[in-house]
Amino acid sequence: GNSVTQMEGPVTLSEEAFLTINCTYTATGYPSLFWYVQYPGEGLQLLLKATKADDKGSNKGFEATYRKETTSFHLEKGSVQVSDSAVYFCALSAFNAGGTSYGKLTFGQGTILTVHP
Amino acid sequence: GAGVSQSPSNKVTEKGKDVELRCDPISGHTALYWYRQSLGQGLEFLIYFQGNSAPDKSGLPSDRFSAERTGGSVSTLTIQRTQQEDSAVYLCASSFSPGSYEQYFGPGTRLTVT
Repeated sequence: GNSVTQMEGPVTLSEEAFLTINCTYTATGYPSLFWYVQYPGEGLQLLLKATKADDKGSNKGFEATYRKETTSFHLEKGSVQVSDSAVYFCALSAFNAGGTSYGKLTFGQGTILTVHP
Repeated sequence: GAGVSQSPSNKVTEKGKDVELRCDPISGHTALYWYRQSLGQGLEFLIYFQGNSAPDKSGLPSDRFSAERTGGSVSTLTIQRTQQEDSAVYLCASSFSPGSYEQYFGPGTRLTVT
């Protein structure tokens, strides 16, 4: 079956530090890959996505590249801010037997990021 | 416009009672998903609705769980004879179509079974 493994947290950084959160996956076929973010007291929000190999998703200074050869989708940001403190989830979308996606998401365990001033 | 809404936001119930959780998806969204977020299991898929097609119930953890979607819009997740292990945050999400990739999540219902 499909699965997502992401770097265990919590991760604590100082403002302006470089961030990497590792994510690897196991899936049949070619899934779409996502990073979702959950800010304190808020719901899950899509941060970025990539739908095919070598695609790079980016948003709010965050980036992740779909690497088929290493089955990875690591999240990076060059300079984190206090406002980036949140829980980050890596996820993939499933395909049904016919090979079309209906969007069911399989999530990693989540990584708590805390950024200090 | 309005996002996905869920009610109640918090629910405390006694073990053995039945509970109903409600989800109002974004207007016009044909696909609706329920997920559960708990400390031990992380975020896990429960059930998926698409239009008038039969739902995918493959993620429901037991036959105490059921869900319906009336008129292709509002959905209700029902848990019968609740157990303490049912305590979790239940999240609803909707998307314009199953192939549009982005799912919009509601704020969740925090269920506590005492």
